[in-house]
Amino acid sequence: GAVVSQHPSWVICKSGTSVKIECRSLDFQATTMFWYRQFPKQSLMLMATSNEGSKATYEQGVEKDKFLINHASLTLSTLTVTSAHPEDSSFYICSAPAGSPNTEAFFGQGTRLTVV
Amino acid sequence: AQSVTQPDIHITVSEGASLELRCNYSYGATPYLFWYVQSPGQGLQLLLKYFSGDTLVQGIKGFEAEFKRSQSSFNLRKPSVHWSDAAEYFCAVGALGAGNKLTFGGGTRVLVKP
Repeated sequence: GAVVSQHPSWVICKSGTSVKIECRSLDFQATTMFWYRQFPKQSLMLMATSNEGSKATYEQGVEKDKFLINHASLTLSTLTVTSAHPEDSSFYICSAPAGSPNTEAFFGQGTRLTVV
Repeated sequence: AQSVTQPDIHITVSEGASLELRCNYSYGATPYLFWYVQSPGQGLQLLLKYFSGDTLVQGIKGFEAEFKRSQSSFNLRKPSVHWSDAAEYFCAVGALGAGNKLTFGGGTRVLVKP
């Protein structure tokens, strides 16, 4: 199956700094990628849809100035958490659709962000 | 708007016993339905999916699920649970043409007793 690689798998940062998370489709091209957030012992909530070559689409309640998404190529989307605060600590997971017609989502391994 | 409900937050089952995880969805069109498994601190692994056709779907690791349109359900089953099946299980619904933008249920944590 298709492989989605997410990096880093975990990161600890100081409050007020920014953190970039990368999501790569390794063996296929993805014009769309999705970013989810998962709080401990909770489900995944869609944050935004990353669109190659255009602006991301954010879900209601997600601050686009805080969670910057860039989809610069057909294999890479990045999520930057700006001015991170402890409440941003979470598990962030990306996914990319593959197959025909994009009938399956392949997930990265996730990034555990801890803001101290 | 679509939604997915997994009524059971936790389920404890003995190794070798059968397992059934419930999933109910609300969706205005023909749903694409998925079951994913997540081990602690890990990403998601697809167990199985339903798009159309046979309503009984076979997946990996001995799992199967049955789509029942009349009940808006997509329950996951396994005849005999192994200790390695202890994990969090998520049911999700997506839309055709939406590139797999998924709505997830709250998840069910499965504990396996020896």
